[in-house]
Amino acid sequence: GAVVSQHPSWVICKSGTSVKIECRSLDFQATTMFWYRQFPKQSLMLMATSNEGSKATYEQGVEKDKFLINHASLTLSTLTVTSAHPEDSSFYICSARMSRAEAFFGQGTRLTVV
Amino acid sequence: GENVEQHPSTLSVQEGDSAVIKCTYSDSASNYFPWYKQELGKRPQLIIDIRSNVGEKKDQRIAVTLNKTAKHFSLHITETQPEDSAVYFCAAENFGNEKLTFGTGTRLTIIP
Repeated sequence: GAVVSQHPSWVICKSGTSVKIECRSLDFQATTMFWYRQFPKQSLMLMATSNEGSKATYEQGVEKDKFLINHASLTLSTLTVTSAHPEDSSFYICSARMSRAEAFFGQGTRLTVV
Repeated sequence: GENVEQHPSTLSVQEGDSAVIKCTYSDSASNYFPWYKQELGKRPQLIIDIRSNVGEKKDQRIAVTLNKTAKHFSLHITETQPEDSAVYFCAAENFGNEKLTFGTGTRLTIIP
């Protein structure tokens, strides 16, 4: 199947700093990319949907100014957690797909805010 | 919006027996139903999917059934093996929305 690469796989940062997570589709052009948050032993909670060149669509309850999403090209989307706090610690995972096709997931990023 | 419920949350099955995981969805416009397997510490991977114009789909030991009238779909794994142990997520989507809604997951444990 297609490959989606997410970087970094884990990061530790101090409270108040910002962290950027990258999601790349390596061998296909993704019309849409998705960002999820996954708590331990829980499901994938969609945070936002992004299309190349347009603003991301955020799910209800997700702060746009805190979780900045940029979809600069058909192969790259970034999630920036701004002014991170310990409650932002979580597993963040992206997925990418072409229209009406299988969604492929990145390997995820474990964020720990200390 | 779409709401997907998944049962059971945990399931233990003797090796060689069958496992069944069930999901219900709320949006009658949903027309795509994938199942993902997530092993510990790894990314979710698609194992099988079904579209609303089909009632059943099979791939070796894995099968999915869909009942559009009742708005539920199920994953069936036969002849289970230890490597089937993982968390399984169902999802539903209306292709027009391009947004997958996931169930809460089922932790499947195969007992050797």
